[in-house]
Amino acid sequence: DTAVSQTPKYLVTQMGNDKSIKCEQNLGHDTMYWYKQDSKKFLKIMFSYNNKELIINETVPNRFSPKSPDKAHLNLHINSLELGDSAVYFCASRQYDTLGETQYFGPGTRLLVL
Amino acid sequence: DAKTTQPPSMDCAEGRAANLPCNHSTISGNEYVYWYRQIHSQGPQYIIHGLKNNETNEMASLIITEDRKSSTLILPHATLRDTAVYYCIVRVASGNTPLVFGKGTRLSVIA
Repeated sequence: DTAVSQTPKYLVTQMGNDKSIKCEQNLGHDTMYWYKQDSKKFLKIMFSYNNKELIINETVPNRFSPKSPDKAHLNLHINSLELGDSAVYFCASRQYDTLGETQYFGPGTRLLVL
Repeated sequence: DAKTTQPPSMDCAEGRAANLPCNHSTISGNEYVYWYRQIHSQGPQYIIHGLKNNETNEMASLIITEDRKSSTLILPHATLRDTAVYYCIVRVASGNTPLVFGKGTRLSVIA
Protein backbone atom coordinates (compact mmCIF):
# COMPACT_ATOMS: atom_id res chain seq x y z
CA ASP A 1 0.00 0.00 0.00
CA THR A 2 3.03 2.28 -0.29
CA ALA A 3 1.94 5.68 -1.61
CA VAL A 4 5.18 6.52 -3.40
CA SER A 5 7.52 3.67 -4.22
CA GLN A 6 10.97 3.64 -5.77
CA THR A 7 13.09 0.87 -7.23
CA PRO A 8 15.75 -0.07 -6.60
CA LYS A 9 16.42 0.97 -3.02
CA TYR A 10 20.17 0.52 -3.45
CA LEU A 11 22.18 0.81 -6.65
CA VAL A 12 25.93 0.24 -6.84
CA THR A 13 27.51 0.63 -10.25
CA GLN A 14 30.69 1.48 -12.08
CA MET A 15 31.56 4.85 -13.52
CA GLY A 16 30.45 5.21 -17.12
CA ASN A 17 27.47 2.87 -16.83
CA ASP A 18 23.87 3.81 -17.65
CA LYS A 19 21.21 3.16 -15.03
CA SER A 20 17.54 3.86 -14.37
CA ILE A 21 15.55 4.52 -11.21
CA LYS A 22 11.80 3.98 -11.21
CA CYS A 23 9.12 5.79 -9.25
CA GLU A 24 5.43 5.05 -8.95
CA GLN A 25 2.69 6.76 -6.98
CA ASN A 26 -0.76 5.32 -6.38
CA LEU A 27 -2.26 8.52 -5.02
CA GLY A 28 -3.70 9.86 -8.26
CA HIS A 29 -1.58 13.01 -8.11
CA ASP A 30 -0.81 15.03 -11.22
CA THR A 31 2.59 16.41 -10.21
CA MET A 32 5.74 14.45 -9.47
CA TYR A 33 9.31 15.44 -8.65
CA TRP A 34 12.84 14.12 -8.45
CA TYR A 35 15.05 15.45 -5.66
CA LYS A 36 18.72 14.72 -5.00
CA GLN A 37 20.28 14.56 -1.53
CA ASP A 38 24.05 14.71 -1.61
CA SER A 39 26.60 13.56 0.94
CA LYS A 40 26.21 16.82 2.87
CA LYS A 41 22.50 16.04 3.21
CA PHE A 42 21.28 18.97 1.13
CA LEU A 43 18.01 18.16 -0.63
CA LYS A 44 17.64 19.82 -4.04
CA ILE A 45 15.03 19.66 -6.74
CA MET A 46 16.04 18.17 -10.06
CA PHE A 47 12.86 17.85 -12.12
CA SER A 48 9.15 18.42 -11.88
CA TYR A 49 6.48 16.84 -14.07
CA ASN A 50 2.80 17.71 -14.29
CA ASN A 51 0.50 15.37 -16.19
CA LYS A 52 3.45 13.76 -17.94
CA GLU A 53 4.88 17.10 -19.03
CA LEU A 54 8.21 18.51 -17.86
CA ILE A 55 7.61 21.67 -15.83
CA ILE A 56 10.87 22.30 -14.06
CA ASN A 57 14.37 21.29 -15.07
CA GLU A 58 16.94 22.68 -12.69
CA THR A 59 20.56 22.93 -13.74
CA VAL A 60 21.00 19.22 -14.04
CA PRO A 61 23.45 17.69 -16.55
CA ASN A 62 21.71 16.37 -19.64
CA ARG A 63 23.03 12.92 -18.72
CA PHE A 64 19.96 12.85 -16.51
CA SER A 65 16.76 12.27 -18.45
CA PRO A 66 13.42 11.90 -16.71
CA LYS A 67 10.59 10.07 -18.41
CA SER A 68 6.95 9.96 -17.46
CA PRO A 69 5.09 7.21 -19.34
CA ASP A 70 1.90 8.06 -17.46
CA LYS A 71 0.72 10.22 -14.58
CA ALA A 72 1.58 7.59 -11.99
CA HIS A 73 5.17 7.02 -13.04
CA LEU A 74 8.25 9.20 -13.23
CA ASN A 75 11.47 7.40 -14.04
CA LEU A 76 15.00 8.77 -14.03
CA HIS A 77 17.59 7.54 -16.49
CA ILE A 78 21.22 8.46 -15.97
CA ASN A 79 23.82 8.06 -18.72
CA SER A 80 27.58 7.82 -18.28
CA LEU A 81 27.47 7.78 -14.50
CA GLU A 82 30.11 9.83 -12.68
CA LEU A 83 31.46 9.62 -9.15
CA GLY A 84 29.65 12.85 -8.26
CA ASP A 85 26.31 11.28 -9.07
CA SER A 86 26.57 9.26 -5.88
CA ALA A 87 23.68 10.46 -3.72
CA VAL A 88 20.23 9.54 -2.50
CA TYR A 89 17.50 10.26 -5.05
CA PHE A 90 13.97 10.90 -3.81
CA CYS A 91 10.82 10.85 -5.84
CA ALA A 92 7.79 12.80 -4.61
CA SER A 93 4.23 13.48 -5.66
CA ARG A 94 2.09 16.47 -4.87
CA GLN A 95 -1.42 16.70 -3.54
CA TYR A 96 -3.17 20.05 -3.85
CA ASP A 97 -6.67 20.74 -2.58
CA THR A 98 -8.65 23.28 -0.62
CA LEU A 99 -6.66 22.45 2.51
CA GLY A 100 -3.38 23.28 0.81
CA GLU A 101 -0.52 21.33 -0.56
CA THR A 102 1.31 18.25 0.64
CA GLN A 103 4.21 16.42 -0.96
CA TYR A 104 4.64 12.71 -0.40
CA PHE A 105 8.15 11.33 -0.71
CA GLY A 106 9.34 7.89 -1.63
CA PRO A 107 11.87 5.96 0.46
CA GLY A 108 14.80 7.01 -1.70
CA THR A 109 17.28 5.25 -3.98
CA ARG A 110 20.84 5.16 -2.70
CA LEU A 111 23.16 5.36 -5.68
CA LEU A 112 26.86 4.65 -5.28
CA VAL A 113 29.11 5.09 -8.27
CA LEU A 114 32.50 3.41 -8.00
CA ASP B 1 18.05 29.46 -1.68
CA ALA B 2 16.01 28.75 1.41
CA LYS B 3 14.21 31.78 2.83
CA THR B 4 14.23 30.51 6.38
CA THR B 5 16.69 30.38 9.26
CA GLN B 6 16.68 27.56 11.78
CA PRO B 7 19.06 26.53 14.57
CA PRO B 8 21.28 23.68 13.38
CA SER B 9 20.49 21.39 16.30
CA MET B 10 18.39 21.01 19.43
CA ASP B 11 17.96 18.45 22.17
CA CYS B 12 14.74 17.55 23.92
CA ALA B 13 14.00 15.16 26.76
CA GLU B 14 11.61 12.35 25.94
CA GLY B 15 8.07 13.19 26.99
CA ARG B 16 8.67 16.91 27.02
CA ALA B 17 7.50 19.41 24.43
CA ALA B 18 9.91 20.14 21.61
CA ASN B 19 9.73 23.73 20.37
CA LEU B 20 11.48 24.29 17.06
CA PRO B 21 11.86 27.91 15.95
CA CYS B 22 12.05 29.27 12.44
CA ASN B 23 12.71 32.78 11.17
CA HIS B 24 11.23 33.86 7.84
CA SER B 25 11.45 37.64 7.94
CA THR B 26 11.06 38.07 4.16
CA ILE B 27 7.89 36.00 3.85
CA SER B 28 5.36 37.33 1.34
CA GLY B 29 1.66 37.71 1.96
CA ASN B 30 0.74 34.70 -0.17
CA GLU B 31 3.42 32.37 1.18
CA TYR B 32 2.64 29.60 3.61
CA VAL B 33 4.90 28.16 6.29
CA TYR B 34 5.44 24.41 5.84
CA TRP B 35 7.19 21.96 8.09
CA TYR B 36 8.62 18.66 6.95
CA ARG B 37 10.90 16.25 8.75
CA GLN B 38 13.34 13.60 7.63
CA ILE B 39 13.97 10.66 9.88
CA HIS B 40 17.31 8.98 9.25
CA SER B 41 17.46 7.09 5.95
CA GLN B 42 13.85 7.91 5.07
CA GLY B 43 12.19 10.33 2.69
CA PRO B 44 10.94 13.67 4.03
CA GLN B 45 7.54 13.59 5.70
CA TYR B 46 4.96 16.37 5.77
CA ILE B 47 4.06 17.60 9.25
CA ILE B 48 1.93 20.73 9.08
CA HIS B 49 1.49 24.05 7.32
CA GLY B 50 -0.19 27.40 7.96
CA LEU B 51 -0.68 30.86 6.54
CA LYS B 52 -1.29 33.15 9.50
CA ASN B 53 -3.47 31.33 11.99
CA ASN B 54 -2.09 28.79 14.44
CA GLU B 55 -2.66 25.24 13.28
CA THR B 56 -2.81 21.89 15.04
CA ASN B 57 -3.02 18.35 13.77
CA GLU B 58 -2.33 14.90 15.15
CA MET B 59 1.41 15.35 14.78
CA ALA B 60 2.15 18.88 15.91
CA SER B 61 1.10 22.48 16.44
CA LEU B 62 2.29 25.45 14.44
CA ILE B 63 2.41 28.87 16.03
CA ILE B 64 2.93 31.80 13.64
CA THR B 65 3.67 35.26 15.01
CA GLU B 66 1.29 38.06 14.18
CA ASP B 67 3.78 39.73 11.84
CA ARG B 68 4.41 36.29 10.25
CA LYS B 69 8.16 36.77 10.43
CA SER B 70 8.72 33.74 12.57
CA SER B 71 7.04 30.54 13.65
CA THR B 72 7.45 27.66 16.07
CA LEU B 73 6.71 24.01 15.52
CA ILE B 74 5.63 22.27 18.70
CA LEU B 75 5.77 18.52 19.24
CA PRO B 76 3.79 18.29 22.47
CA HIS B 77 5.22 15.06 23.86
CA ALA B 78 8.40 14.18 22.03
CA THR B 79 9.34 10.53 21.68
CA LEU B 80 12.56 8.89 20.55
CA ARG B 81 10.95 8.34 17.15
CA ASP B 82 10.71 12.10 16.69
CA THR B 83 14.49 12.30 16.36
CA ALA B 84 14.93 13.74 12.87
CA VAL B 85 15.92 16.78 10.84
CA TYR B 86 13.07 19.29 10.75
CA TYR B 87 12.74 21.64 7.81
CA CYS B 88 10.83 24.92 7.84
CA ILE B 89 9.92 26.02 4.30
CA VAL B 90 8.03 29.06 3.04
CA ARG B 91 6.32 28.94 -0.34
CA VAL B 92 3.14 29.70 -2.20
CA ALA B 93 0.62 26.88 -2.10
CA SER B 94 -0.42 27.03 -5.73
CA GLY B 95 1.54 26.08 -8.80
CA ASN B 96 3.92 23.22 -9.17
CA THR B 97 6.88 24.79 -7.47
CA PRO B 98 9.12 22.32 -5.67
CA LEU B 99 10.11 22.50 -2.05
CA VAL B 100 13.31 24.43 -1.35
CA PHE B 101 15.00 22.77 1.60
CA GLY B 102 17.46 24.57 3.85
CA LYS B 103 19.72 22.88 6.35
CA GLY B 104 16.96 22.30 8.89
CA THR B 105 17.21 21.63 12.61
CA ARG B 106 18.48 18.28 13.80
CA LEU B 107 16.30 17.39 16.79
CA SER B 108 17.65 14.75 19.14
CA VAL B 109 15.14 13.35 21.61
CA ILE B 110 16.95 11.95 24.61
CA ALA B 111 15.66 9.25 26.93
